[in-house]
Order: sequence, then structure tokens, then C-alpha cells
Amino acid sequence: DAGVTQSPTHLIKTRGQQVTLRCSPKSGHDTVSWYQQALGQGPQFIFQYYEEEERQRGNFPDRFSGHQFPNYSSELNVNALLLGDSALYLCASSPPGTGDYEQYFGPGTRLTVT
Amino acid sequence: TQLLEQSPQFLSIQEGENLTVYCNSSSVFSSLQWYRQEPGEGPVLLVTVVTGGEVKKLKRLTFQFGDARKDSSLHITAAQPGDTGLYLCAGPAGGTSYGKLTFGQGTILTVHP
Repeated sequence: DAGVTQSPTHLIKTRGQQVTLRCSPKSGHDTVSWYQQALGQGPQFIFQYYEEEERQRGNFPDRFSGHQFPNYSSELNVNALLLGDSALYLCASSPPGTGDYEQYFGPGTRLTVT
Repeated sequence: TQLLEQSPQFLSIQEGENLTVYCNSSSVFSSLQWYRQEPGEGPVLLVTVVTGGEVKKLKRLTFQFGDARKDSSLHITAAQPGDTGLYLCAGPAGGTSYGKLTFGQGTILTVHP
């Protein structure tokens, strides 16, 4: 049973560019959340998608947007990249009926903005 | 905003020693989760505690949820080098059942052989 998968693993972008990160949830999971983790810190919640809609959002600017597809996979888009956007971006999925009791994380995408 | 504070931030011990990591908040949480994260990987869920006073054991790891559901602890007995990693506590933000998890800043544990 495949867990949460994310692509790409690593990415290097230039300031001002746009980036798209992808996530496939664990089989049977319908909710996808995205987090940003700076080095040495705990993850910070960006937003959560359920039934193809953004259900909750953290304190991130509108440059951060997302999408969930009918097969529950999800994308995170970041426009006008800043140096401060360099971080590990984590996707987590949750099974139906658990709310946010349990979230299962993918390995992350390491984004470096130069 | 509900905050979680972990202590200590760093822990460096010898193999075989015992240790406790604490996760504290001034707010009540409906549940708390503990994760372990290794370099270059995502956090791995270890346990979820839901009931005040609850104690859960996972081999040499013992997790406790405070009676008032404002704090939690992780105790490791006879630590091994394989226990090395970043330990994170997390809980539903804002007391809601759906939505975002808020994380502590983490405890970096290093167990030396």
C-alpha cells in the first residue's frame, strides 16, 4: 500500500518564478493538507483541501494557492517566489471520518529559491 | 491561536539512558499527536492521544496526555541510536475537529552509541 507521494523531490527556482508541487494521498484518504517547514522548525499549516475545495487556510499570502482533483491528488502553487519561500513543503493526507486527528505525511519537496 | 511549546529543544544522550520530552500549551486540545522526523523525510505519526490522563505505550516509548488536555509528554526508556531524530507534537488548531494542525517547534534528539 503506497503512502503519500510527492513530486518532485528537490527543486531549485529563481526569485520571481512560479512553482507547482504535486501530492498523491495515501489510498483511501480524501483530505490533503499542505505545510511549509523551515530548517529546524515545526511544520506550518498552509491550507487543507477536501472535496476539491479549500476548507481551511493558515497565515500564508495569496501567492500560495492550491487545487484538489477528483482523484484526491493535490497541487500547491507558489507565485512570485521569494528567497524566504525556501523550505521543505510537506503534503499530508487524512482518512475519512478522522477530521484532523491523524495526518500521514509524504517525504516532502525541498524547494530552494536563489 | 493555540500554541504548543516543546522542551527541551535539544537533547544529546548516551545509548541506554532514559529521557522525557514535554509539550505544553495554555489551551485545551481535543487531541495531540506525536511525530518523529528524520533528516530529508516527512514526519511519521507515532501516536494520537485523545482522552485526558490517557497513557499509550509503543515499545520503549510512553506517551501521556495531561488530565486537563493542555500538555503531553513522551518518555523513552533505554534510548538507542535509532531513536535519533526530530520529535514533534501537534494538535488541532483552534479547537476545531477539522482543519489545520499546529505543531510545536520540535525536540532534536541525538543518541550516541
